[in-house]
Amino acid sequence: EVYLLESGGGSVQPGGSLRLSCAASGFTFSSYAMTWVRQAPGKGLEWVSSIGGIGGSTDYAASVKGRFTISRDNSDNTLSLQMTSLRAEDTAIYYCAKDRDLISATSHGLDVWGQGTTVTVSS
Amino acid sequence: QSVLTQPPSVSAAPGQRVTISCSGSSSNIGNKYVSWYQQFPGTAPKLLIYDNNKRPSGVPDRFSGSKSGTSATLDITGLQTGDEADYYCGTWDSSLTAGLFGTGTKVTVL
Repeated sequence: EVYLLESGGGSVQPGGSLRLSCAASGFTFSSYAMTWVRQAPGKGLEWVSSIGGIGGSTDYAASVKGRFTISRDNSDNTLSLQMTSLRAEDTAIYYCAKDRDLISATSHGLDVWGQGTTVTVSS
Repeated sequence: QSVLTQPPSVSAAPGQRVTISCSGSSSNIGNKYVSWYQQFPGTAPKLLIYDNNKRPSGVPDRFSGSKSGTSATLDITGLQTGDEADYYCGTWDSSLTAGLFGTGTKVTVL
């Protein structure tokens, strides 16, 4: 069964850091790009970052560039998102999702989603 | 801030048809594939349509997608109460080198 499981969410003060992880199973992890998507309370979906399957080319939303770092370990089938300098507006459910292609820019869609992990940034 | 514009809400009676539009530009919808996602409250989004008009296995053919120029459309025919959800379009923007989601549309079955 194809499966994604996020972990690492929690509450953090503004300016703090948090590392999210996403464990993948049921597919050849290295053959697909992976993406983080977030959803603030009561708001729509926001693309955060993507990483290519092999070689790991990365892209970031302007709102997180320079603060967030996406990475992957193809030997461990794990996707990560290191978040630093967190702000109140980063409060959201963070989903990891599997792209249908090796590169996200081909825009073939996100066909597998995790259940999400909640990040709350508040003093 | 999304550059893909969708109507905030659409509604129709059971059995009827609804159409959801997604308006973009030449740097995104104009030269990239469009996907559509369905999201029920408290759950993760689900891929409904990919590559403009293809359905993943298990998605009923009541759901169909199309694209023309810099706009895309999701049609739901034979509307059912179980279709009440939020729907998002998605694509890639080659100028921003970033993924994009639409503003989202809430479908209500009257």
